[in-house]
Amino acid sequence: DIVMTQSPDSLALSLGERATINCKSSQSVLYSSNNKNYLAWYQQKPGQPPKLLIYWASTRESGVPDRFSGSGSGTDFTLTISSLQAEDVAVYYCQQYYDNLALTFGGGTKVEIK
Amino acid sequence: EEQLVESGGGLVQPGRSLRLSCTASGFTFGDYAISWVRQAPGKGLEWIGFIRSKAYGRTTEYAASVKGRFTLSRDDSKYIAYLQMNSLKTEDTAVYYCTYDTSGYNYAFDVWGQGTMVAVSS
Repeated sequence: DIVMTQSPDSLALSLGERATINCKSSQSVLYSSNNKNYLAWYQQKPGQPPKLLIYWASTRESGVPDRFSGSGSGTDFTLTISSLQAEDVAVYYCQQYYDNLALTFGGGTKVEIK
Repeated sequence: EEQLVESGGGLVQPGRSLRLSCTASGFTFGDYAISWVRQAPGKGLEWIGFIRSKAYGRTTEYAASVKGRFTLSRDDSKYIAYLQMNSLKTEDTAVYYCTYDTSGYNYAFDVWGQGTMVAVSS
């Protein structure tokens, strides 16, 4: 199975600061035939199911604020929150869907306000 | 609006069985694969399996951690997907979510149910 490793485990930032969350896959999730990275990002708030933020590594889901952006390719990916808002307090997960017989998630990164 | 609602969770003893249901509305259920993801208390997300649509034979895939114990099925006429869990272990304690991808061709899940809690304990 493809192992997804996120860093850091948690981060605490002030309102308005930039948050950067990293996700590394144990093998490339870039499909060469269509040049797409099979990588998604989710946000999960307490007591709620996950919410899809980003897919294809950098495509923002409809309705997601543009302060959220995804980047990276191959094995290294980043979710950036350009200006942290109070409502962004949550746990963020990356997920690969390259191997669609064994989907895997990262361990999560908890984002808090300092 | 697409919606998924899980039910059937509860407290069960180790070694026993439980069946969860995922009732869909707001979309043509039979056209989509349905996946299940679980989350142990205070832990991360774990994909446990999916069942493809009729067009793909309603075939199933499972995570190694549940293969041979869990079985996915679906009744497209009732808009319900099922997760049959046998030989339950304490480590199966989790919130169980059903989910799907509305694009129908990848597994980035944009619709989720609210989840149902399964507690395995003696």
